[in-house]
Amino acid sequence: ELKVEQNPLFLSMQEGKNYTIYCNYSTTSDRLYWYRQDPGKSLESLFVLLSNGAVKQEGRLMASLDTKARLSTLHITAAVHDLSATYFCAVNPLTGNQFYFGTGTSLTVIP
Amino acid sequence: NAGVTQTPKFQVLKTGQSMTLQCAQDMNHEYMSWYRQDPGMGLRLIHYSVGAGITDQGEVPNGYNVSRSTTEDFPLRLLSAAPSQTSVYFCASSTGTGSRAFFGQGTRLTVV
Repeated sequence: ELKVEQNPLFLSMQEGKNYTIYCNYSTTSDRLYWYRQDPGKSLESLFVLLSNGAVKQEGRLMASLDTKARLSTLHITAAVHDLSATYFCAVNPLTGNQFYFGTGTSLTVIP
Repeated sequence: NAGVTQTPKFQVLKTGQSMTLQCAQDMNHEYMSWYRQDPGMGLRLIHYSVGAGITDQGEVPNGYNVSRSTTEDFPLRLLSAAPSQTSVYFCASSTGTGSRAFFGQGTRLTVV
């Protein structure tokens, strides 16, 4: 069974600071996704990473994938309050298109 | 565009009752799936479908049934509701390999 672990589970950071969220998964995969969820809302797609070494950036967020280490990172640069949300990574198994999610990282950006 | 539509948004059931959560997508996606979200546990896959007539179990299938008679619809049935099924349920669809999933707005279910 594919396991996906995120850390930290909770993150409180000051505006303007940088931080990284980590996503580890247990079996071979080269398809990794990041989602954002605001309280009481649905999930919104942020990034799709489909190969080893893939890097995607959108605004203050940058995601990368290392398939050999089975690790993805979501880096936050100069955090702002609007980034406060829960961030999930998800992985497809090697065969199949179902998604296995991490437990999520609840991010709070403090002014 | 409607995207993925779930109904109802909220539901309260008594233990032992049955009900169906509806999910419909208008994007002609082959892949559809149901997840439940519980605090501290992320989203866990209940059942999924790779096309009309084809379904399979996910991580936590017990107590739930699905069917996929059309590409558009993927209902989730609770056979005999239990308090442990109190959760937020999300339906999602995607086109295929390497494509992101689109999520519905969720159904908040409480079983008393």
